[in-house]
Amino acid sequence: GAGVSQSPRYKVAKRGQDVALRCDPISGHVSLFWYQQALGQGPEFLTYFQNEAQLDKSGLPSDRFFAERPEGSVSTLKIQRTQQEDSAVYLCASSSLRGGGRHEQYFGPGTRLTVT
Amino acid sequence: KNEVEQSPQNLTAQEGEFITINCSYSVGISALHWLQQHPGGGIVSLFMLSSGKKKHGRLIATINIQEKHSSLHITASHPRDSAVYICAASPGAGGTSYGKLTFGQGTILTVHP
Repeated sequence: GAGVSQSPRYKVAKRGQDVALRCDPISGHVSLFWYQQALGQGPEFLTYFQNEAQLDKSGLPSDRFFAERPEGSVSTLKIQRTQQEDSAVYLCASSSLRGGGRHEQYFGPGTRLTVT
Repeated sequence: KNEVEQSPQNLTAQEGEFITINCSYSVGISALHWLQQHPGGGIVSLFMLSSGKKKHGRLIATINIQEKHSSLHITASHPRDSAVYICAASPGAGGTSYGKLTFGQGTILTVHP
Protein backbone atom coordinates (compact mmCIF):
# COMPACT_ATOMS: atom_id res chain seq x y z
CA GLY A 1 0.00 0.00 0.00
CA ALA A 2 0.96 3.66 -0.05
CA GLY A 3 3.54 4.93 2.38
CA VAL A 4 3.52 8.12 4.41
CA SER A 5 3.05 11.19 2.23
CA GLN A 6 3.70 14.81 3.02
CA SER A 7 2.80 18.02 1.24
CA PRO A 8 4.07 20.33 0.09
CA ARG A 9 7.53 18.86 -0.49
CA TYR A 10 9.05 22.33 -0.59
CA LYS A 11 7.78 25.56 0.89
CA VAL A 12 9.32 29.01 0.76
CA ALA A 13 7.79 31.52 3.14
CA LYS A 14 8.57 35.11 3.87
CA ARG A 15 9.35 35.87 7.47
CA GLY A 16 6.12 36.51 9.33
CA GLN A 17 3.93 34.33 7.11
CA ASP A 18 1.91 31.41 8.43
CA VAL A 19 2.47 27.95 6.92
CA ALA A 20 0.62 24.65 7.11
CA LEU A 21 2.32 21.32 6.48
CA ARG A 22 0.30 18.19 5.85
CA CYS A 23 0.99 14.57 6.66
CA ASP A 24 -0.96 11.56 5.39
CA PRO A 25 0.09 8.54 7.47
CA ILE A 26 -0.23 4.92 6.44
CA SER A 27 -3.87 3.95 6.65
CA GLY A 28 -4.75 2.47 10.03
CA HIS A 29 -1.61 3.61 11.80
CA VAL A 30 -2.46 4.75 15.30
CA SER A 31 0.73 6.62 16.12
CA LEU A 32 1.91 9.74 14.32
CA PHE A 33 5.07 11.72 15.02
CA TRP A 34 6.38 15.07 13.79
CA TYR A 35 10.14 15.72 13.78
CA GLN A 36 12.22 18.75 12.79
CA GLN A 37 15.58 18.30 11.06
CA ALA A 38 17.88 21.29 10.75
CA LEU A 39 20.54 21.24 8.06
CA GLY A 40 23.35 18.84 8.93
CA GLN A 41 21.68 17.64 12.11
CA GLY A 42 19.71 14.62 13.20
CA PRO A 43 15.95 14.99 13.51
CA GLU A 44 14.43 16.22 16.75
CA PHE A 45 11.06 15.27 18.18
CA LEU A 46 8.28 17.83 17.99
CA THR A 47 5.00 16.13 18.89
CA TYR A 48 3.15 12.81 19.06
CA PHE A 49 -0.44 11.76 18.37
CA GLN A 50 -2.18 8.55 19.30
CA ASN A 51 -5.23 8.59 17.04
CA GLU A 52 -6.66 12.10 17.46
CA ALA A 53 -5.15 12.70 20.89
CA GLN A 54 -2.00 14.77 21.12
CA LEU A 55 -0.24 12.97 23.94
CA ASP A 56 3.11 14.74 23.83
CA LYS A 57 3.91 18.19 22.52
CA SER A 58 7.02 18.72 24.59
CA GLY A 59 9.24 19.23 21.55
CA LEU A 60 7.33 22.13 20.01
CA PRO A 61 9.83 25.00 20.15
CA SER A 62 7.36 27.80 20.77
CA ASP A 63 3.67 28.63 20.92
CA ARG A 64 3.92 29.58 17.23
CA PHE A 65 3.90 25.85 16.48
CA PHE A 66 0.60 24.02 16.53
CA ALA A 67 -0.32 20.51 15.39
CA GLU A 68 -3.62 18.72 15.01
CA ARG A 69 -5.02 15.39 13.88
CA PRO A 70 -8.76 15.90 14.27
CA GLU A 71 -10.00 12.61 12.82
CA GLY A 72 -7.09 10.44 13.79
CA SER A 73 -5.66 10.16 10.29
CA VAL A 74 -4.30 13.22 8.43
CA SER A 75 -2.24 15.62 10.54
CA THR A 76 -1.34 19.25 10.00
CA LEU A 77 1.59 21.10 11.51
CA LYS A 78 1.03 24.84 11.50
CA ILE A 79 3.69 27.44 12.10
CA GLN A 80 2.55 30.99 12.71
CA ARG A 81 4.62 34.11 12.03
CA THR A 82 7.52 32.10 10.61
CA GLN A 83 11.06 33.08 11.50
CA GLN A 84 14.35 32.22 9.82
CA GLU A 85 15.25 29.71 12.53
CA ASP A 86 12.18 27.70 11.51
CA SER A 87 13.94 26.76 8.25
CA ALA A 88 14.33 22.99 8.36
CA VAL A 89 12.96 19.74 7.00
CA TYR A 90 9.80 18.69 8.79
CA LEU A 91 9.39 14.92 8.90
CA CYS A 92 6.28 12.95 9.67
CA ALA A 93 6.34 9.30 10.72
CA SER A 94 3.63 6.81 11.54
CA SER A 95 3.58 3.54 13.39
CA SER A 96 1.04 0.82 13.91
CA LEU A 97 -0.38 0.03 17.33
CA ARG A 98 0.01 1.85 20.58
CA GLY A 99 3.15 1.55 22.65
CA GLY A 100 5.20 2.03 19.54
CA GLY A 101 8.54 1.80 21.25
CA ARG A 102 9.19 -1.55 19.66
CA HIS A 103 7.38 -0.86 16.44
CA GLU A 104 9.00 0.38 13.28
CA GLN A 105 8.29 3.95 12.28
CA TYR A 106 7.62 4.74 8.64
CA PHE A 107 8.82 8.14 7.55
CA GLY A 108 7.45 10.48 4.93
CA PRO A 109 9.71 12.30 2.45
CA GLY A 110 9.61 15.49 4.52
CA THR A 111 8.71 19.09 3.77
CA ARG A 112 11.67 21.41 3.32
CA LEU A 113 10.70 24.82 4.69
CA THR A 114 12.81 27.83 3.84
CA VAL A 115 12.00 31.13 5.52
CA THR A 116 13.44 34.17 3.77
CA LYS B 1 26.18 15.68 26.22
CA ASN B 2 23.61 14.33 23.76
CA GLU B 3 21.62 11.30 24.82
CA VAL B 4 22.60 9.54 21.59
CA GLU B 5 26.11 9.91 20.20
CA GLN B 6 27.39 8.55 16.90
CA SER B 7 30.87 8.14 15.55
CA PRO B 8 32.40 8.90 13.20
CA GLN B 9 30.54 11.94 11.89
CA ASN B 10 32.05 11.48 8.45
CA LEU B 11 33.35 8.28 6.89
CA THR B 12 34.96 7.76 3.51
CA ALA B 13 35.66 4.29 2.17
CA GLN B 14 36.72 2.51 -0.98
CA GLU B 15 34.34 0.09 -2.62
CA GLY B 16 34.59 -3.33 -1.01
CA GLU B 17 35.74 -2.14 2.41
CA PHE B 18 34.13 -3.25 5.67
CA ILE B 19 32.48 -0.33 7.43
CA THR B 20 31.51 0.17 11.06
CA ILE B 21 29.44 3.00 12.51
CA ASN B 22 29.10 3.24 16.27
CA CYS B 23 26.31 4.53 18.48
CA SER B 24 26.31 5.09 22.24
CA TYR B 25 23.28 6.11 24.26
CA SER B 26 22.80 7.24 27.82
CA VAL B 27 19.09 6.57 28.31
CA GLY B 28 17.22 3.38 29.04
CA ILE B 29 15.69 2.15 25.83
CA SER B 30 12.95 -0.10 24.60
CA ALA B 31 14.54 -0.30 21.15
CA LEU B 32 17.43 1.07 19.11
CA HIS B 33 16.82 1.99 15.48
CA TRP B 34 19.24 2.31 12.58
CA LEU B 35 17.99 4.53 9.77
CA GLN B 36 19.26 5.50 6.33
CA GLN B 37 18.75 8.89 4.71
CA HIS B 38 19.72 9.69 1.12
CA PRO B 39 20.29 13.34 0.08
CA GLY B 40 16.96 14.96 -0.63
CA GLY B 41 15.19 11.78 0.31
CA GLY B 42 13.20 10.49 3.19
CA ILE B 43 14.33 8.23 5.98
CA VAL B 44 14.21 4.46 5.67
CA SER B 45 14.30 2.15 8.64
CA LEU B 46 17.09 -0.43 8.39
CA PHE B 47 16.90 -2.17 11.73
CA MET B 48 15.08 -2.04 15.01
CA LEU B 49 16.67 -4.07 17.78
CA SER B 50 16.48 -4.44 21.52
CA SER B 51 19.05 -7.20 21.96
CA GLY B 52 21.63 -9.27 20.13
CA LYS B 53 22.22 -8.99 16.43
CA LYS B 54 20.27 -8.64 13.19
CA LYS B 55 21.40 -9.15 9.61
CA HIS B 56 19.88 -8.06 6.33
CA GLY B 57 21.92 -8.66 3.21
CA ARG B 58 25.26 -6.90 3.64
CA LEU B 59 24.08 -4.97 6.69
CA ILE B 60 24.54 -6.19 10.26
CA ALA B 61 23.42 -4.42 13.43
CA THR B 62 24.47 -5.38 16.93
CA ILE B 63 23.58 -4.04 20.34
CA ASN B 64 25.10 -4.45 23.81
CA ILE B 65 22.48 -3.43 26.34
CA GLN B 66 24.85 -3.50 29.31
CA GLU B 67 27.34 -1.19 27.62
CA LYS B 68 24.59 0.93 25.97
CA HIS B 69 26.30 0.61 22.62
CA SER B 70 25.25 -0.42 19.14
CA SER B 71 27.13 -0.85 15.88
CA LEU B 72 26.08 -0.91 12.24
CA HIS B 73 28.35 -2.86 9.92
CA ILE B 74 28.36 -2.87 6.13
CA THR B 75 30.25 -5.67 4.45
CA ALA B 76 31.63 -5.31 0.90
CA SER B 77 30.61 -1.65 0.72
CA HIS B 78 29.35 -0.23 -2.56
CA PRO B 79 28.95 3.35 -3.84
CA ARG B 80 25.17 2.98 -3.58
CA ASP B 81 25.61 2.63 0.19
CA SER B 82 26.60 6.30 0.28
CA ALA B 83 24.06 8.01 2.53
CA VAL B 84 23.59 9.37 6.04
CA TYR B 85 23.16 6.68 8.67
CA ILE B 86 21.35 7.65 11.82
CA CYS B 87 20.87 5.76 15.05
CA ALA B 88 17.88 6.59 17.17
CA ALA B 89 16.82 5.46 20.62
CA SER B 90 13.29 4.81 21.70
CA PRO B 91 13.48 5.63 25.41
CA GLY B 92 11.58 3.73 28.04
CA ALA B 93 11.26 0.19 29.19
CA GLY B 94 8.93 -2.45 27.89
CA GLY B 95 5.49 -1.33 26.84
CA THR B 96 5.57 2.05 28.55
CA SER B 97 7.20 3.85 25.66
CA TYR B 98 5.07 5.08 22.79
CA GLY B 99 8.06 5.22 20.46
CA LYS B 100 9.28 8.81 20.55
CA LEU B 101 12.77 8.72 19.02
CA THR B 102 15.90 10.51 20.17
CA PHE B 103 18.32 10.71 17.25
CA GLY B 104 22.06 10.79 16.90
CA GLN B 105 23.55 13.45 14.67
CA GLY B 106 24.12 11.04 11.82
CA THR B 107 27.17 9.63 10.04
CA ILE B 108 27.80 10.75 6.48
CA LEU B 109 29.14 7.76 4.54
CA THR B 110 30.77 8.16 1.14
CA VAL B 111 31.91 5.04 -0.71
CA HIS B 112 34.16 5.64 -3.70
CA PRO B 113 34.36 3.22 -6.64
